[in-house]
Amino acid sequence: GQQVMQIPQYQHVQEGEDFTTYCNSSTTLSNIQWYKQRPGGHPVFLIQLVKSGEVKKQKRLTFQFGEAKKNSSLHITATQTTDVGTYFCAGDFGNEKLTFGTGTRLTIIP
Amino acid sequence: DTAVSQTPKYLVTQMGNDKSIKCEQNLGHDTMYWYKQDSKKFLKIMFSYNNKELIINETVPNRFSPKSPDKAHLNLHINSLELGDSAVYFCASSPFGAGDKGYTFGSGTRLTVV
Repeated sequence: GQQVMQIPQYQHVQEGEDFTTYCNSSTTLSNIQWYKQRPGGHPVFLIQLVKSGEVKKQKRLTFQFGEAKKNSSLHITATQTTDVGTYFCAGDFGNEKLTFGTGTRLTIIP
Repeated sequence: DTAVSQTPKYLVTQMGNDKSIKCEQNLGHDTMYWYKQDSKKFLKIMFSYNNKELIINETVPNRFSPKSPDKAHLNLHINSLELGDSAVYFCASSPFGAGDKGYTFGSGTRLTVV
């Protein structure tokens, strides 16, 4: 079936360190979206990537879409305590539904 | 103004009961969804409606029945609740095709079956 895997499942970083989560699909994606879910909260849309090799930035967050449109990454520079949460990628296989990745739970050590 | 609102926020009920969760969006979106998030945080789509029509029905027990009276509402009724139904259920909406706005999620309904 169409699956989206994310690694790592958990990441603990010192405040100020960088963080990266990776997303992989077995098949080509139409587009990929990223969401953040704070503890006890709901997923909140961050960004959508559509083009092969696309790179987008939002302040300290950098999102990349692979050339083959099968993988993606989210990189956070100089993490802050407000970055705590679970980051999900969500792949669109062109079938009008988003398949969410397994998520990466980020905790920050002050 | 809450964009996607779900009620109730918490639901504790006994096995075998029937319960409903309501969802309303005021964003004018065409498509609404139900997702289930289990204790390991996995988010799985259950149903999707576009303008009141069912377009996605994943492998979900037929004890779960969605109803969309109009495109702003998508309710979820669950019959004969089981322990394994305990999870957080999220309603979401999007413009048709989602575009660059993504999905807007409700705050979730935490269902506990005892």
